[in-house]
Amino acid sequence: SQQGEEDPQALSIQEGENATMNCSYKTSINNLQWYRQNSGRGLVHLILIRSNEREKHSGRLRVTLDTSKKSSSLLITASRAADTASYFCATDESNYQLIWGAGTKLIIKP
Amino acid sequence: GAGVSQSPSNKVTEKGKDVELRCDPISGHTALYWYRQSLGQGLEFLIYFQGNSAPDKSGLPSDRFSAERTGGSVSTLTIQRTQQEDSAVYLCASSFNGLPYNEQFFGPGTRLTVL
Repeated sequence: SQQGEEDPQALSIQEGENATMNCSYKTSINNLQWYRQNSGRGLVHLILIRSNEREKHSGRLRVTLDTSKKSSSLLITASRAADTASYFCATDESNYQLIWGAGTKLIIKP
Repeated sequence: GAGVSQSPSNKVTEKGKDVELRCDPISGHTALYWYRQSLGQGLEFLIYFQGNSAPDKSGLPSDRFSAERTGGSVSTLTIQRTQQEDSAVYLCASSFNGLPYNEQFFGPGTRLTVL
């Protein structure tokens, strides 16, 4: 089953601009994670935000979580060519299983 | 330290043949996951191991799919009588103890093509 749904499906921006992508989910969660997938490094964990947190930062990444709206956003500031990748949100549905969205494909134009 | 490794990296097979995919998790990680990813799609959960036990096999698409894990380490995913719709990238991940707040570390995947 697909819990998280990313929006937009694809995003193309100029290098240096900020990129924002969103994730919506259906059921109550304890945690939400964001992952990045590119051809060079495969699928890599970026950041985890817990349900009692509203915002979290990691370098150029900022994640917000709104449990009342069942949504999260990932902001990448000052984008670089290396940020070109697909970005996935994953939510915990059970004690062990993560449910993944279909991803946002981000293209950074030089 | 070594990450999660998977073999083969690519597998081309004919419809009806059996294939075996291998995953070598990070040493010390008790949890191991198999996912399937079709082109341009998200990850589809297949099965989860805690140690050598698979508490949840509900993600396996059909009884042609099976998986085992031995010694709390290496896992194999077997697909019998492959069909064209089985073509996808099969990803393996491991995590420290299987709790959902733990980061999952992914292998590079096996790209399976069924002709």
